[in-house]
Amino acid sequence: GESVGLHLPTLSVQEGDNSIINCAYSNSASDYFIWYKQESGKGPQFIIDIRSNMDKRQGQRVTVLLNKTVKHLSLQIAATQPGDSAVYFCAENLGDSWGKLQFGAGTQVVVTP
Amino acid sequence: ETGVTQSPTHLIKTRGQQVTLRCSSQSGHNTVSWYQQALGQGPQFIFQYYREEENGRGNFPPRFSGLQFPNYSSELNVNALELDDSALYLCASRPGPGNSSDEQFFGPGTRLTVL
Repeated sequence: GESVGLHLPTLSVQEGDNSIINCAYSNSASDYFIWYKQESGKGPQFIIDIRSNMDKRQGQRVTVLLNKTVKHLSLQIAATQPGDSAVYFCAENLGDSWGKLQFGAGTQVVVTP
Repeated sequence: ETGVTQSPTHLIKTRGQQVTLRCSSQSGHNTVSWYQQALGQGPQFIFQYYREEENGRGNFPPRFSGLQFPNYSSELNVNALELDDSALYLCASRPGPGNSSDEQFFGPGTRLTVL
């Protein structure tokens, strides 16, 4: 039978292309957002974070964009590599400074040669 | 590797049983959070411990309980297991308040299967 919850949105990207992963968050009071990468059989791995007083932050090959008006977050990965294949989650702070996080549903990124 | 370790790696239990999962936080981190991740979904916050006290709880019933020890390691206990408790249980540690970094470090998780 069909397994519930296995239908993650999937983004197929050719190696070397740029990837854009989108996320809508729910809490207007959230002031801190994080992107995590999760490979099969592993825990989430921190990629990049952004606070609500910023609209853009860049890391190594990654950029996070925050649009508070429409409660939208995106992760851009430049020159996508096979090692970037994973599930990507956005997470928002649950309204205090203690790092209690609410995660989105996730996007599966598949990098093809 | 994040320095957060969890044990056991995998566990199989039957309905009605009780289970204890363990987490060792990264050195210097006194705040530990537990998350439940069902297959194909994002992690869901269960609760958080700071200096051995529960510091916030998500939408989970009382049969989910926890402990934190003086060395900041932590346990998650689940009583009266149900089939829907089958999931990956993740532990995350971070420095306490007043630290400039909000980054949390996740362990590899414990895969619990309830039959």
